[in-house]
Amino acid sequence: EAGVAQSPRYKIIEKRQSVAFWCNPISGHATLYWYQQILGQGPKLLIQFQNNGVVDDSQLPKDRFSAERLKGVDSTLKIQPAKLEDSAVYLCASSLSFGTSQYFGPGTRLLVL
Amino acid sequence: QQQVKQSPQSLIVQKGGISIINCAYENTAFDYFPWYQQFPGKGPALLIAIRPDVSEKKEGRFTISFNKSAKQFSLHIMDSQPGDSATYFCAASSLGGTGTASKLTFGTGTRLQVTL
Repeated sequence: EAGVAQSPRYKIIEKRQSVAFWCNPISGHATLYWYQQILGQGPKLLIQFQNNGVVDDSQLPKDRFSAERLKGVDSTLKIQPAKLEDSAVYLCASSLSFGTSQYFGPGTRLLVL
Repeated sequence: QQQVKQSPQSLIVQKGGISIINCAYENTAFDYFPWYQQFPGKGPALLIAIRPDVSEKKEGRFTISFNKSAKQFSLHIMDSQPGDSATYFCAASSLGGTGTASKLTFGTGTRLQVTL
């Protein structure tokens, strides 16, 4: 069974530029999560989808971050404009449904200069 | 009330020794407590998880001990091996609730180094 796929793996941009990350969850997984992991910290949930609907985006900085999950499969997370403090690893995870084990992708390491 | 506190921040254990990582939570609604293992450059991988209806769960060399009254849980790695060197995160959530309640709250992580 293929795991959660993410791309790109690394991205370096300058502040005020925009960037987008892509995630393909495990086949059949209805719930998709985006986390931000700052160096030395645990992952922090940014947004959670159930199929193509947003369940929780309470910790998403909506003035600069946006995410979508069209057709309830792949998802993209966008940052526009990026700030220095956005430098982090962005992790995508998926689960079969609510309340089931979450499986993480390898993450996208973002560096904002 | 959503915090999960994890200690120690780092741990050095000799090969064959026991590694112990502790976590404490505040939210009594939490009823699912997984541990994740993360190697450099990789995403967290689910290692073992426990529900509060049992006080201990063992899978191979990994054991979770759970103390509901103290709101604490710990990970024990028996016969620690150099390949266990990684960062370990505890987490907690409330299963079966709404989507918001089911989100994982992570601890700050413990960097484990197992020496020869």
